[in-house]
Amino acid sequence: SQQGEEDPQALSIQEGENATMNCSYKTSINNLQWYRQNSGRGLVHLILIRSNEREKHSGRLRVTLDTSKKSSSLLITASRAADTASYFCATDGNTGNQFYFGTGTSLTVIP
Amino acid sequence: DAGVTQSPTHLIKTRGQHVTLRCSPISGHKSVSWYQQVLGQGPQFIFQYYEKEERGRGNFPDRFSARQFPNYSSELNVNALLLGDSALYLCASSFLAAYGYTFGSGTRLTVV
Repeated sequence: SQQGEEDPQALSIQEGENATMNCSYKTSINNLQWYRQNSGRGLVHLILIRSNEREKHSGRLRVTLDTSKKSSSLLITASRAADTASYFCATDGNTGNQFYFGTGTSLTVIP
Repeated sequence: DAGVTQSPTHLIKTRGQHVTLRCSPISGHKSVSWYQQVLGQGPQFIFQYYEKEERGRGNFPDRFSARQFPNYSSELNVNALLLGDSALYLCASSFLAAYGYTFGSGTRLTVV
């Protein structure tokens, strides 16, 4: 399978703390993306990192990519209750026209 | 500017029936993809269309088919519905796949 695998499956933190979730994948990629999903609704695109990039920032989000280890991490700093959601990584498996999602990390931020 | 719109939002069908789900991409987006998300799982790729041509197909049976129209909207058809087809069906559009996708809110299909 070319799916990414997120770790941990579930994460519970206090508001204001940082949340880190990891993604591992199996094949070479052109890019990797992170998405957020609230309560089984549509996915929201958070950030895309290309295979030649090592780190990317967007607001309170920081994504790293290590292609030698086939892994990525998503850091959410100063978490808020509104960050409570499921987070998925998606890889393109070097095809560029289809994306493979993992099973996600369920994040709960306690006010 | 409207995002990706999907219809209907919810649908209940009986086993053996046929269903058609519809998707309108963001204006200017020529790439449309369909995903199935079973409860508790990540989305699974079904189809990708670009400029009305099928560019990718996931590991789904021939009961699943799709098409893209000249205005880039798309339909997903599922024949001979099974209980296991119950899921959230997500449509996503992109200007170019490498730039990331914008997802619609999905169609919740329940097969009874």
